[in-house]
Order: sequence, then C-alpha cells, then structure tokens
Amino acid sequence: GAVVSQHPSRVICKSGTSVKIECRSLDFQATTMFWYRQFPKQSLMLMATSNEGSKATYEQGVEKDKFLINHASLTLSTLTVTSAHPEDSSFYICSAFTGWGVNTEAFFGQGTRLTVV
Amino acid sequence: AQKITQTQPGMFVQEKEAVTLDCTYDTSDQSYGLFWYKQPSSGEMIFLIYQGSYDEQNATEGRYSLNFQKARKSANLVISASQLGDSAMYFCAMRPISDQTGANNLFFGTGTRLTVIP
Repeated sequence: GAVVSQHPSRVICKSGTSVKIECRSLDFQATTMFWYRQFPKQSLMLMATSNEGSKATYEQGVEKDKFLINHASLTLSTLTVTSAHPEDSSFYICSAFTGWGVNTEAFFGQGTRLTVV
Repeated sequence: AQKITQTQPGMFVQEKEAVTLDCTYDTSDQSYGLFWYKQPSSGEMIFLIYQGSYDEQNATEGRYSLNFQKARKSANLVISASQLGDSAMYFCAMRPISDQTGANNLFFGTGTRLTVIP
C-alpha cells in the first residue's frame, strides 16, 4: 500500500530556533498534503493544506509566518516551525490521499514529536 | 460545516469480547467517506476501515466492521474478539467529496480510548 514517510520522528530544539519537518509520499504522487497538530489527549487539528507548486492554505488561527509550508515537488512537503517557543511543543503529523473522489485512501506519516526547551 | 462526534472518551472491554465504538457525524455533503483510525501510544495513525456514503453494504476488514446507518448519520466501529494490542485511541473521521480533485481534508472526532482487559 501507499506509504507516507515523515522525518524526524522526534526532535528537541532550543527556544528561538527553527525546525523543519519533512513529509514524503514514497510510492505515489501527492498534489495535496495536509498538516495536522495534535495536543496531548486531543484530536488532530488541521493546520494547513499543502498544494504542490502553490501557496499553502492555512486554517483560521494558524500563523502562516510561523509555520512555513513548502510543497516543491509531488512527493515532498515540508513544515518549518520558525522561532520555536515552548508552546509550539506538540505532535505534528502529515497526511496525503491517493485515488480520486470516493475511491480514496488517506495515509499518514509517523508523526513528529516536537519539544521546545 | 462538518462535525464528527465521539461520545465515549474511554471504553473498556474484556479480551476476546466484542466492542462498539460510537461515531455520529453531521454534514450537508451528499457524497462523503467515513474512516476509522487507530492511534497507539507511538502516535502513528493506522487506517482501519473505510465506508463510502453510497456503499450499500457495511464495510468489513478482518475483525473490524463498520455499522453504517446513513439515515441516523452514524458510523460505529465494531471490533470483534478484542486483543490486548487493540488498546489505543480510536478516531472516527469524515471526508466530504465535493469535487473530483480529491483535495478535501479529513475531519476528526475527539477520539475514544479503548482499553482491553486481560
């Protein structure tokens, strides 16, 4: 089946630094990928929709200058958390769909646990 | 707007017994897909089962079956013969399919934490 690879799985960074998270579709092309954030014991909240070759679409309340998304190819989307602060500590997870219309499956990366100290 | 409701924050089940995890949804879309995912403590999202809104038969995947009642807008997950490894968070999700581009995202419920008791 389709595989989405997310890297790194875990990162600890100092406050004020930037962290880049990669999301790759390994055996299919994904024109659209989604980035979610999950706080402990809560559901996944959509942050933004990453579109290949164009600007990402951010959900209301998500700072686009803080969470930079680049989707430069059909198999790679990156999320960069800029000037990270402790409140940015969270679990970030990407997903991509295969197929069209009703015949679709959503696949998720392994997730990245970010800790800002 | 879409809304997914999972009313059971936590559930317990005896090993080898069956358990039903509830999910109701609200949408104005005519065409949509319903998903169930399992999230163990490692954090990964594991796809379990999919039901299309126009599918007449309930979806089944091994020990997982989806009790789809379209008129009631419910999509309950039934896990048969529970195993200790089934202990995890379970999320119900819906994806409206309003166009052919496949770009609509998933809307998630708040999840149910299932604990299987030996």
